[in-house]
Amino acid sequence: DQQVKQNSPSLSVQEGRISILNCDYTNSMFDYFLWYKKYPAEGPTFLISISSIKDKNEDGRFTVFLNKSAKHLSLHIVPSQPGDSAVYFCAARVAAGNKLTFGGGTRVLVKP
Amino acid sequence: NAGVTQTPKFQVLKTGQSMTLQCAQDMNHNSMYWYRQDPGMGLRLIYYSASEGTTDKGEVPNGYNVSRLNKREFSLRLESAAPSQTSVYFCASSGGRGPSSTDTQYFGPGTRLTVL
Repeated sequence: DQQVKQNSPSLSVQEGRISILNCDYTNSMFDYFLWYKKYPAEGPTFLISISSIKDKNEDGRFTVFLNKSAKHLSLHIVPSQPGDSAVYFCAARVAAGNKLTFGGGTRVLVKP
Repeated sequence: NAGVTQTPKFQVLKTGQSMTLQCAQDMNHNSMYWYRQDPGMGLRLIYYSASEGTTDKGEVPNGYNVSRLNKREFSLRLESAAPSQTSVYFCASSGGRGPSSTDTQYFGPGTRLTVL
């Protein structure tokens, strides 16, 4: 039973346009959410995070939105660049610990 | 400053063989983790160590053992490898020690393991 799901395994977008990645979760105890980016043959690297007390967090071209009532979060990348081509994982953490639960990942391809 | 390092990068084992995956971090982090990544499954936590001297099971611990050798090093051992353990293994570390820690996990480059 996957508690964190990324229903789109892949996404293709034109350079300069917006990329929207979605993530759904089922555990209402999750209080902190993160996005990681992964290039081939490398480990995941932290991208952006959001606490459950907020509904939006922005860092440069990356914005994460959280809808607690829908148990849904999304990552917006604007504008998308070819270097953004990677696999993106969303992850969630319950309040009483620092273990992360990851989604299955979404592979993003940004076309020049 | 190397961050999180893992050895080996690649390994092929026969069913029933044993091996140890090594992980070290130079960020003076308290917590360390072992994950496996399988297609479509994301990263699943195998074991973690919240601080030196402690280890706890994660989501998929069966068939694995760990040792937190000191604050820097956290090893993962497969005593009798099975084809189902074919995966990419990632080690990670974070500064936090326990609940309410919101610090980031930093990952190593991974070990690609194939069990025939």
